Amino acid sequence: AQSVAQPEDQVNVAEGNPLTVKCTYSVSGNPYLFWYVQYPNRGLQFLLKYITGDNLVKGSYGFEAEFNKSQTSFHLKKPSALVSDSALYFCAVRPNAGNNRKLIWGLGTSLAVNP
Amino acid sequence: EADIYQTPRYLVIGTGKKITLECSQTMGHDKMYWYQQDPGMELHLIHYSYGVNSTEKGDLSSESTVSRIRTEHFPLTLESARPSHTSQYLCASATSGRDGELFFGEGSRLTVL
Repeated sequence: AQSVAQPEDQVNVAEGNPLTVKCTYSVSGNPYLFWYVQYPNRGLQFLLKYITGDNLVKGSYGFEAEFNKSQTSFHLKKPSALVSDSALYFCAVRPNAGNNRKLIWGLGTSLAVNP
Repeated sequence: EADIYQTPRYLVIGTGKKITLECSQTMGHDKMYWYQQDPGMELHLIHYSYGVNSTEKGDLSSESTVSRIRTEHFPLTLESARPSHTSQYLCASATSGRDGELFFGEGSRLTVL
């Protein structure tokens, strides 16, 4: 079965330090990859996506993500974390093969940035 | 700023009541979705629509129903609410060709007593 894994339920970092939120997937073919952020009591917001091309993609709020095909990973990164980055982060994958091309979501990672 | 709106934002009702959660978008998107989000975080697709008069059930079985009579409007209805329906409901839309880029509403938090 196709799946998306976010191995950490929670990530804690100090403000100003780099952050990484991990995502790996098990989806056949060359899927599209996405990151979303959810602030408290809000809906999700699209952050960035990987379709093809450069393995490092840049998105909103200074976030970037690195695609690694051999490891089937798409980790979210930011060089210097802000307290305001504290939120839930969801990785999602859209298959490009087969009949079911709806997004497959990870379970989410709660990021806490400490002052 | 995404132009997708959900009402009500918060709703507390008694068991057995009929409720409709409204979702409207002004972006002309053909694809619309309803997700149910557990208190813990996990997202479950419960309904989707790829155009007017087209609706499908999602991956998670739900007692709710939806309709898509107009492109911009995708309401979700529960005929008889139960405590097990207590959850956060998120509406989203996307345009064909960019259908992994979802625009989400702020959500409707439903509590059934």
